[in-house]
Amino acid sequence: SQQGEEDPQALSIQEGENATMNCSYKTSINNLQWYRQNSGRGLVHLILIRSNEREKHSGRLRVTLDTSKKSSSLLITASRAADTASYFCASYSGGYQKVTFGTGTKLQVIP
Amino acid sequence: DAGVIQSPRHEVTEMGQEVTLRCKPISGHNSLFWYRQTMMRGLELLIYFNNNVPIDDSGMPEDRFSAKMPNASFSTLKIQPSEPRDSAVYFCASTQGGGGGYQPQHFGDGTRLSIL
Repeated sequence: SQQGEEDPQALSIQEGENATMNCSYKTSINNLQWYRQNSGRGLVHLILIRSNEREKHSGRLRVTLDTSKKSSSLLITASRAADTASYFCASYSGGYQKVTFGTGTKLQVIP
Repeated sequence: DAGVIQSPRHEVTEMGQEVTLRCKPISGHNSLFWYRQTMMRGLELLIYFNNNVPIDDSGMPEDRFSAKMPNASFSTLKIQPSEPRDSAVYFCASTQGGGGGYQPQHFGDGTRLSIL
């Protein structure tokens, strides 16, 4: 499989806590994106980090990228019940839009 | 603004039947992707179009699968003949731009396909 790996596969936390998800990929990338998927719906883009960036913030989201380890992490601070969803990383490589999605982390935030 | 529109949302059919999934991308987007999602294999890229031309179809599992994009506002994914192992959720996504993937993809809500 060419998929990236994500861990943990599942995560359950209390509302207000922080959630951290990790992603590893296999080839050199142009950029890496994180997506969220609510049950029964399509994926929704959250944030993009370029290969020459190490950290990026957007609201309660913080993404880091370590190209030497071929890994990225997504931190959601002060989680809310509405954050309950599956989260996927997507690594982009090549001259066009060759994309590989990770296996996903299923996050449950308990009110 | 209208997002990516897929139809049908659900499809149940018997093995051996032809299945056609449809997608209308966001107006102005020039790249379109078809994905398949299953519990066992996760989200797999099947085929990618740029400016209506198939660029990479290496993810299409077998000759039973075919995809077309006759114009910028419509694409189809066809399975003929269908088999039970084709049961999955099929997503269509669109985006602007060409190489590098520096624009986010916009996904439809998928077609849940069940082959009996």
